[in-house]
Amino acid sequence: DIQMTQSPSTLSASVGDRVTITCRASQSITSWLAWYQQKPGRAPKVLIFDGSSLESGVPPRFSGSGSGTEFTLTISSLQPDDFATYYCQQYNSYPRTFGQGTKVEIK
Amino acid sequence: QITLKESGPTLVRPTQTLTLTCTFSGFSLSTSEEGVVWIRQPPGKALEWLALLYWNDDKRYSPSLSSRLTITKDTSKNQVVLTMTNVGPVDTATYYCGYSRLARFLNYWGQGILVTVSS
Repeated sequence: DIQMTQSPSTLSASVGDRVTITCRASQSITSWLAWYQQKPGRAPKVLIFDGSSLESGVPPRFSGSGSGTEFTLTISSLQPDDFATYYCQQYNSYPRTFGQGTKVEIK
Repeated sequence: QITLKESGPTLVRPTQTLTLTCTFSGFSLSTSEEGVVWIRQPPGKALEWLALLYWNDDKRYSPSLSSRLTITKDTSKNQVVLTMTNVGPVDTATYYCGYSRLARFLNYWGQGILVTVSS
């Protein structure tokens, strides 16, 4: 299985901050990576796919970059609605695997 | 518009078999490139990918659970069923089904169903 490691596990930030979350794969996944946002008690929602493509309807303050084994999710200016947990998921090979999540908290 | 909804028991006894149904609309599993995935999330923990059923009946399972999982479809009812045998307390989780075009990421998710395994 490909292991996905996110850092940090928890991030404290303020509204307006630029936030970056990193996801590392244990082997190359080219650009086959998605990012999800999950709020408490809700199902996750896809934000980014294919490493850097923005899902329809997702605000442009979200962006993804990277390829191979290292990827980042950036929120250019954190908004109150963005406090949530974020997960990466690889779809280069089976089984698909998720990172352990990064919780973005209010500072 | 694509929607999915999970149904099944919310309390299961240890060693029993858990059967969950995903009822969906807005797509058909007889159409190429369409897939349904099951994911679970123990309380307070991360997401875990369980199984995929693709439109051509290709099935993929998490290796760690493959001996206990079976995924099937009823195309006429727009349903996908996941069965998990010999459940234990560690299987307590919210179970989600989702739509996955090209069997990649989950484009749409159901609301989830919390299943508790307890005697």
